[in-house]
Amino acid sequence: ETGVTQTPRHLVMGMTNKKSLKCEQHLGHNAMYWYKQSAKKPLELMFVYNFKEQTENNSVPSRFSPECPNSSHLFLHLHTLQPEDSALYLCASSQGTDYGYTFGSGTRLTVV
Amino acid sequence: GENVEQHPSTLSVQEGDSAVIKCTYSDSASNYFPWYKQELGKGPQLIIDIRSNVGEKKDQRIAVTLNKTAKHFSLHITETQPEDSAVYFCAAVRDSNYQLIWGAGTKLIIKP
Repeated sequence: ETGVTQTPRHLVMGMTNKKSLKCEQHLGHNAMYWYKQSAKKPLELMFVYNFKEQTENNSVPSRFSPECPNSSHLFLHLHTLQPEDSALYLCASSQGTDYGYTFGSGTRLTVV
Repeated sequence: GENVEQHPSTLSVQEGDSAVIKCTYSDSASNYFPWYKQELGKGPQLIIDIRSNVGEKKDQRIAVTLNKTAKHFSLHITETQPEDSAVYFCAAVRDSNYQLIWGAGTKLIIKP
């Protein structure tokens, strides 16, 4: 374990479902991130939270909704997704960017 | 904005030989360059990083070199072993923001 835990590891959902991804870190980091990883593409930054405040939203569709209730927990709420949203969703945390990111193992999402 | 290009996309080397992966970046203000290794079923893991005030850094069998003038940096793995098989990502960032800009990844295959 890296210190960043993501649940669930795998998720299959229909296009009309609502589900949430959870990320938890106990590293004392002050920044948390959601990334989308699709095959043969660079990692796509979705959201950044710094001290629980959202500082970046990289033009992510509103069907993805992040929530950061405290500096240790991060959620990604999903609703009315499309098949092209199927991907590996990675959570990461860092103490600023100077110290590198610690990633979780990801949630493999399949939208059917 | 910053753009990071990574080559090759796939690299196959004989066990025991060396492997080199190269990245170029466009933003001369970038000053931190991490390398991540992603094994199957896991998130990326930081393996080595370098700052712009350093030209080379080594950690056992891995090393990173940085040429600020040419705006490129490289990962060198010597005496490759089967456990080095993974996807490797380079990234670049400025201290002034929290966004890592990622390369597209290199799949390294170590042939026995």
